[in-house]
Amino acid sequence: DIVMTQSPDSLAVSLGERATISCKSSQSILYSSNNKHYLAWYQQKPGQPPKLLIYWASTRESGVPDRFSGSGSGTDFTLTISSLQAEDVAVYYCQQYYYTPPWTFGQGTKLEIK
Amino acid sequence: QVHLVESGGDVVQPGRSLRLSCAASGFNFSSYGMHWVRQAPGKGLEWVAVIWYDGSKKFYADSVKGRFTISRDNPKNTLYLQMNSLKAEDTAVYYCATTKGSGWFDPWGQGTLVTVSS
Repeated sequence: DIVMTQSPDSLAVSLGERATISCKSSQSILYSSNNKHYLAWYQQKPGQPPKLLIYWASTRESGVPDRFSGSGSGTDFTLTISSLQAEDVAVYYCQQYYYTPPWTFGQGTKLEIK
Repeated sequence: QVHLVESGGDVVQPGRSLRLSCAASGFNFSSYGMHWVRQAPGKGLEWVAVIWYDGSKKFYADSVKGRFTISRDNPKNTLYLQMNSLKAEDTAVYYCATTKGSGWFDPWGQGTLVTVSS
């Protein structure tokens, strides 16, 4: 099974500042035939289900603010929030969908306001 | 608008059984695989099971294999999870979700809480 490891486990960032969350997969999740990375990012606020933010490692879901961006390649990926807003306080998860089953998630990164 | 509504969560004793349901609407349910994903209190997300669009294939996480059974009723647009021999570590919010063949989960239901406790 592919293991997804996020860092840090928690992060405190000032409003308006940049937040960066890392996600590392235990194997490459790049499919060479289409040159796509099989990685998604989710945001989960308390008491709510996860919400899809990004897929194919860098494609923003419709309606997601453009301050959210995804990048990376091979086994190392990053979710960046360019200018943190109060409503961005949440737990963020990465997920791989290359080697399935099982579909596997990172352990989550809790983002708070400093 | 796609809508997934889970039900059936309850407090049950260890060793007992429970069946969860997920009612789907707003999309062609019978065309897509469906999943269960769970989240223990204060913990991360764990994929539980998937069923192919026609029910022909089913896969399970090792943690539930042999105890849980996923099924679906396409005419009723409903997904099920039969949970037997429940353990304390099965305590979680259970979400149904679909990948619509894409690999990422969207949308998700609101979840239903299962508590296994004596």
